[in-house]
Amino acid sequence: QQQVKQSPQSLIVQKGGISIINCAYENTAFDYFPWYQQFPGKGPALLIAIRPDVSEKKEGRFTISFNKSAKQFSLHIMDSQPGDSATYFCAASPGGGADGLTFGKGTHLIIQP
Amino acid sequence: NAGVTQTPKFQVLKTGQSMTLQCAQDMNHEYMSWYRQDPGMGLRLIHYSVGAGITDQGEVPNGYNVSRSTTEDFPLRLLSAAPSQTSVYFCASSWTGHTEAFFGQGTRLTVV
Repeated sequence: QQQVKQSPQSLIVQKGGISIINCAYENTAFDYFPWYQQFPGKGPALLIAIRPDVSEKKEGRFTISFNKSAKQFSLHIMDSQPGDSATYFCAASPGGGADGLTFGKGTHLIIQP
Repeated sequence: NAGVTQTPKFQVLKTGQSMTLQCAQDMNHEYMSWYRQDPGMGLRLIHYSVGAGITDQGEVPNGYNVSRSTTEDFPLRLLSAAPSQTSVYFCASSWTGHTEAFFGQGTRLTVV
């Protein structure tokens, strides 16, 4: 049973456009929602994270929107750049944080110049 | 700072062989974990540890063993390698399960 569903699987966006990746979760015990960015041959690196007490968090060109009632959260990349081309993973962790991260299957993002 | 160091980077095993993937961190993090990454599957949690002497199973623990004798090290043992264990393995560490996880560079394992 996949607890975090991520879409789309792949995404092509023109330079300067907005990239949007969506995730939905089922486990209501989740209360920490990070996004990770991974370049080929590298380990994932934290991009931005949110907790359910806020509906939006922005860091530079990256924004997480969170809808607790719908159990959905999304990543928006504004003014997308070719350097943003990577694989993005959403993840979730339950309260207490002792049970590890559950990841979505990933989105392969390509920003065309 | 080295962060999270995984060795080896690449490994080829024959079916039935055993081996240990090494993971060390120098950030004094209590929480460490192992994930495997397969195409189209994201990262799946194998085992994790919330501190020295404490380990627990994740989503896909079968065929793997771990121990945590020190804060710094968290080795992953493959008991009898199978082709289904061909994957890229990542070790991660963090202060807790709710803080930034730092990942190693990964170990690409092929079982033939």
